Amino acid sequence: QVQLVESGGGVVQPGRSLRLSCAASGFTFSTYAMHWVRQPPGKGLEWVAVISYDETIEYYADSVKGRFTISRDNSKNTLYLQMNSLKTEDTAVYYCARDLGIDYWGQGTLVTVSS
Amino acid sequence: DVVMTQSPLSLSVTLGQPASISCRSSQSLVHSDGNTYLNWFQQRPGQSPRRLIYKVSNRDSGVPDRFSGSGSDTEFTLKISRVEAEDVGVYYCMQGTYWPPDTFGQGTKLEIK
Repeated sequence: QVQLVESGGGVVQPGRSLRLSCAASGFTFSTYAMHWVRQPPGKGLEWVAVISYDETIEYYADSVKGRFTISRDNSKNTLYLQMNSLKTEDTAVYYCARDLGIDYWGQGTLVTVSS
Repeated sequence: DVVMTQSPLSLSVTLGQPASISCRSSQSLVHSDGNTYLNWFQQRPGQSPRRLIYKVSNRDSGVPDRFSGSGSDTEFTLKISRVEAEDVGVYYCMQGTYWPPDTFGQGTKLEIK
Protein backbone atom coordinates (compact mmCIF):
# COMPACT_ATOMS: atom_id res chain seq x y z
CA GLN A 1 0.00 0.00 0.00
CA VAL A 2 1.05 3.58 -0.58
CA GLN A 3 3.02 5.02 2.33
CA LEU A 4 4.46 8.50 2.74
CA VAL A 5 6.46 9.17 5.89
CA GLU A 6 7.69 12.68 6.63
CA SER A 7 10.55 13.51 8.97
CA GLY A 8 12.84 16.39 9.86
CA GLY A 9 10.46 18.72 11.62
CA GLY A 10 11.27 20.46 14.88
CA VAL A 11 11.72 23.79 16.61
CA VAL A 12 13.93 26.33 14.84
CA GLN A 13 14.68 30.00 15.32
CA PRO A 14 13.59 32.61 12.78
CA GLY A 15 16.13 33.01 9.99
CA ARG A 16 17.48 29.49 10.35
CA SER A 17 17.12 26.51 8.01
CA LEU A 18 15.54 23.08 8.14
CA ARG A 19 15.27 20.18 5.69
CA LEU A 20 12.25 17.93 5.57
CA SER A 21 12.23 14.45 4.05
CA CYS A 22 9.41 12.23 2.84
CA ALA A 23 10.10 8.53 2.35
CA ALA A 24 7.79 6.90 -0.16
CA SER A 25 6.92 3.24 -0.57
CA GLY A 26 4.25 1.03 -2.07
CA PHE A 27 4.30 2.65 -5.51
CA THR A 28 6.71 3.57 -8.29
CA PHE A 29 7.91 6.87 -6.85
CA SER A 30 9.84 7.89 -9.95
CA THR A 31 6.66 8.10 -12.05
CA TYR A 32 4.68 10.53 -9.87
CA ALA A 33 4.75 14.26 -9.29
CA MET A 34 4.97 15.11 -5.61
CA HIS A 35 3.77 18.02 -3.48
CA TRP A 36 4.36 19.65 -0.14
CA VAL A 37 1.23 21.07 1.55
CA ARG A 38 1.23 22.75 4.95
CA GLN A 39 -1.32 23.45 7.67
CA PRO A 40 -0.71 26.07 10.37
CA PRO A 41 -2.02 25.03 13.79
CA GLY A 42 -5.81 25.18 13.84
CA LYS A 43 -6.01 26.52 10.28
CA GLY A 44 -6.64 25.30 6.76
CA LEU A 45 -4.49 23.74 4.06
CA GLU A 46 -1.97 25.70 1.99
CA TRP A 47 -0.19 24.27 -1.03
CA VAL A 48 3.57 24.91 -0.83
CA ALA A 49 5.39 23.33 -3.77
CA VAL A 50 5.30 20.66 -6.45
CA ILE A 51 7.99 18.80 -8.39
CA SER A 52 7.55 16.75 -11.54
CA TYR A 53 8.36 13.06 -11.61
CA ASP A 54 11.65 13.73 -13.42
CA GLU A 55 12.67 16.87 -11.46
CA THR A 56 12.48 19.04 -14.55
CA ILE A 57 9.61 21.21 -13.26
CA GLU A 58 9.22 22.89 -9.88
CA TYR A 59 6.62 25.38 -8.72
CA TYR A 60 6.29 27.27 -5.45
CA ALA A 61 3.69 29.25 -3.58
CA ASP A 62 4.48 32.97 -3.56
CA SER A 63 4.79 32.83 0.22
CA VAL A 64 7.85 30.53 0.04
CA LYS A 65 9.37 31.37 -3.35
CA GLY A 66 13.09 32.12 -3.06
CA ARG A 67 13.31 30.58 0.43
CA PHE A 68 12.17 26.96 -0.04
CA THR A 69 13.48 24.37 -2.50
CA ILE A 70 11.73 21.13 -3.37
CA SER A 71 13.82 18.23 -4.64
CA ARG A 72 13.72 14.47 -4.93
CA ASP A 73 16.01 11.47 -5.16
CA ASN A 74 14.27 8.83 -7.22
CA SER A 75 16.99 6.29 -6.42
CA LYS A 76 16.08 6.64 -2.73
CA ASN A 77 12.31 7.11 -3.19
CA THR A 78 12.57 10.29 -1.16
CA LEU A 79 11.17 13.80 -1.48
CA TYR A 80 12.78 16.79 0.22
CA LEU A 81 11.94 20.34 1.20
CA GLN A 82 14.84 22.63 2.01
CA MET A 83 13.52 25.56 4.01
CA ASN A 84 15.78 28.59 4.45
CA SER A 85 15.26 32.00 6.08
CA LEU A 86 12.38 30.59 8.10
CA LYS A 87 9.73 32.95 9.44
CA THR A 88 7.31 32.54 12.33
CA GLU A 89 4.49 32.31 9.79
CA ASP A 90 6.07 29.13 8.38
CA THR A 91 5.00 27.31 11.56
CA ALA A 92 2.81 24.44 10.39
CA VAL A 93 2.42 20.72 9.91
CA TYR A 94 4.05 19.90 6.58
CA TYR A 95 2.58 17.07 4.52
CA CYS A 96 4.00 15.42 1.46
CA ALA A 97 1.39 14.27 -1.02
CA ARG A 98 1.36 12.23 -4.21
CA ASP A 99 0.41 13.07 -7.76
CA LEU A 100 -1.18 16.07 -9.39
CA GLY A 101 -4.53 15.03 -7.96
CA ILE A 102 -3.07 14.76 -4.44
CA ASP A 103 -4.47 11.28 -3.86
CA TYR A 104 -2.32 10.21 -0.88
CA TRP A 105 -0.93 12.18 2.04
CA GLY A 106 1.68 11.46 4.67
CA GLN A 107 1.06 11.84 8.39
CA GLY A 108 2.85 15.19 8.48
CA THR A 109 5.77 16.66 10.41
CA LEU A 110 5.48 19.73 12.62
CA VAL A 111 7.77 22.70 12.04
CA THR A 112 7.76 25.37 14.73
CA VAL A 113 9.59 28.62 14.02
CA SER A 114 10.06 30.50 17.26
CA SER A 115 12.70 32.45 19.11
CA ASP B 1 -5.01 32.74 -8.32
CA VAL B 2 -8.34 30.94 -8.28
CA VAL B 3 -10.21 31.53 -5.02
CA MET B 4 -12.27 28.69 -3.57
CA THR B 5 -15.12 29.65 -1.25
CA GLN B 6 -16.90 27.05 0.87
CA SER B 7 -20.19 27.33 2.69
CA PRO B 8 -21.19 26.83 5.35
CA LEU B 9 -17.99 26.99 7.39
CA SER B 10 -19.54 24.83 10.07
CA LEU B 11 -22.32 22.31 10.01
CA SER B 12 -24.11 20.48 12.82
CA VAL B 13 -26.04 17.44 11.68
CA THR B 14 -28.10 14.77 13.43
CA LEU B 15 -26.89 11.19 12.94
CA GLY B 16 -28.60 9.61 9.97
CA GLN B 17 -29.54 12.94 8.41
CA PRO B 18 -28.08 14.32 5.16
CA ALA B 19 -25.41 17.01 4.92
CA SER B 20 -24.39 19.25 2.06
CA ILE B 21 -21.32 21.44 1.58
CA SER B 22 -20.97 23.99 -1.19
CA CYS B 23 -17.79 25.08 -2.92
CA ARG B 24 -17.61 27.97 -5.35
CA SER B 25 -14.63 28.91 -7.52
CA SER B 26 -13.77 32.41 -8.72
CA GLN B 27 -13.58 31.15 -12.29
CA SER B 28 -14.69 28.15 -14.28
CA LEU B 29 -12.74 24.99 -13.42
CA VAL B 30 -13.21 23.39 -16.82
CA HIS B 31 -9.71 22.60 -18.12
CA SER B 32 -8.78 22.89 -21.78
CA ASP B 33 -8.62 19.08 -21.83
CA GLY B 34 -12.33 18.94 -20.99
CA ASN B 35 -11.89 17.71 -17.42
CA THR B 36 -12.84 19.62 -14.28
CA TYR B 37 -10.21 19.20 -11.59
CA LEU B 38 -12.19 19.66 -8.41
CA ASN B 39 -11.41 17.39 -5.47
CA TRP B 40 -12.88 16.94 -2.00
CA PHE B 41 -10.89 15.96 1.07
CA GLN B 42 -11.87 14.85 4.56
CA GLN B 43 -9.68 15.54 7.58
CA ARG B 44 -10.77 13.73 10.71
CA PRO B 45 -9.59 15.14 14.05
CA GLY B 46 -5.89 14.50 14.55
CA GLN B 47 -5.46 12.87 11.13
CA SER B 48 -4.03 13.76 7.74
CA PRO B 49 -6.38 14.75 4.95
CA ARG B 50 -7.85 11.95 2.85
CA ARG B 51 -9.15 12.39 -0.66
CA LEU B 52 -12.81 11.42 -1.04
CA ILE B 53 -13.77 12.68 -4.48
CA TYR B 54 -11.76 13.59 -7.58
CA LYS B 55 -12.77 15.34 -10.79
CA VAL B 56 -16.07 16.51 -9.27
CA SER B 57 -17.87 13.23 -8.83
CA ASN B 58 -15.52 10.24 -8.77
CA ARG B 59 -15.27 8.48 -5.42
CA ASP B 60 -11.87 7.23 -4.34
CA SER B 61 -11.41 3.57 -3.49
CA GLY B 62 -12.81 2.68 -0.08
CA VAL B 63 -14.98 5.80 0.22
CA PRO B 64 -18.51 4.91 1.33
CA ASP B 65 -21.20 5.47 -1.27
CA ARG B 66 -23.04 7.83 1.08
CA PHE B 67 -20.53 10.44 -0.13
CA SER B 68 -21.23 12.01 -3.51
CA GLY B 69 -19.91 14.97 -5.45
CA SER B 70 -21.62 17.03 -8.09
CA GLY B 71 -21.47 20.34 -9.87
CA SER B 72 -19.94 22.08 -12.83
CA ASP B 73 -18.23 25.25 -13.97
CA THR B 74 -17.93 27.26 -10.73
CA GLU B 75 -20.43 25.58 -8.38
CA PHE B 76 -19.79 22.28 -6.66
CA THR B 77 -21.37 20.26 -3.86
CA LEU B 78 -20.34 17.45 -1.55
CA LYS B 79 -23.27 15.50 -0.13
CA ILE B 80 -23.41 12.94 2.62
CA SER B 81 -26.67 11.03 2.35
CA ARG B 82 -26.76 9.84 5.97
CA VAL B 83 -24.21 11.23 8.38
CA GLU B 84 -22.41 8.76 10.62
CA ALA B 85 -20.26 9.46 13.69
CA GLU B 86 -17.05 8.74 11.75
CA ASP B 87 -17.83 11.59 9.33
CA VAL B 88 -16.95 14.22 11.95
CA GLY B 89 -14.09 16.41 10.75
CA VAL B 90 -13.24 19.18 8.33
CA TYR B 91 -13.98 18.96 4.62
CA TYR B 92 -11.99 20.86 1.98
CA CYS B 93 -12.51 21.39 -1.70
CA MET B 94 -9.47 21.95 -3.90
CA GLN B 95 -9.04 23.00 -7.50
CA GLY B 96 -6.26 21.61 -9.67
CA THR B 97 -7.29 23.10 -13.00
CA TYR B 98 -5.22 26.26 -12.73
CA TRP B 99 -1.99 25.29 -11.08
CA PRO B 100 0.24 26.42 -9.68
CA PRO B 101 -1.01 26.96 -7.16
CA ASP B 102 -3.49 24.29 -6.26
CA THR B 103 -5.93 26.19 -4.08
CA PHE B 104 -8.07 24.93 -1.23
CA GLY B 105 -11.30 26.18 0.23
CA GLN B 106 -11.32 27.42 3.83
CA GLY B 107 -12.74 24.15 5.12
CA THR B 108 -16.14 23.18 6.53
CA LYS B 109 -16.28 21.70 10.01
CA LEU B 110 -18.88 18.95 10.39
CA GLU B 111 -20.06 17.99 13.84
CA ILE B 112 -22.82 15.80 15.19
CA LYS B 113 -25.79 17.54 16.75
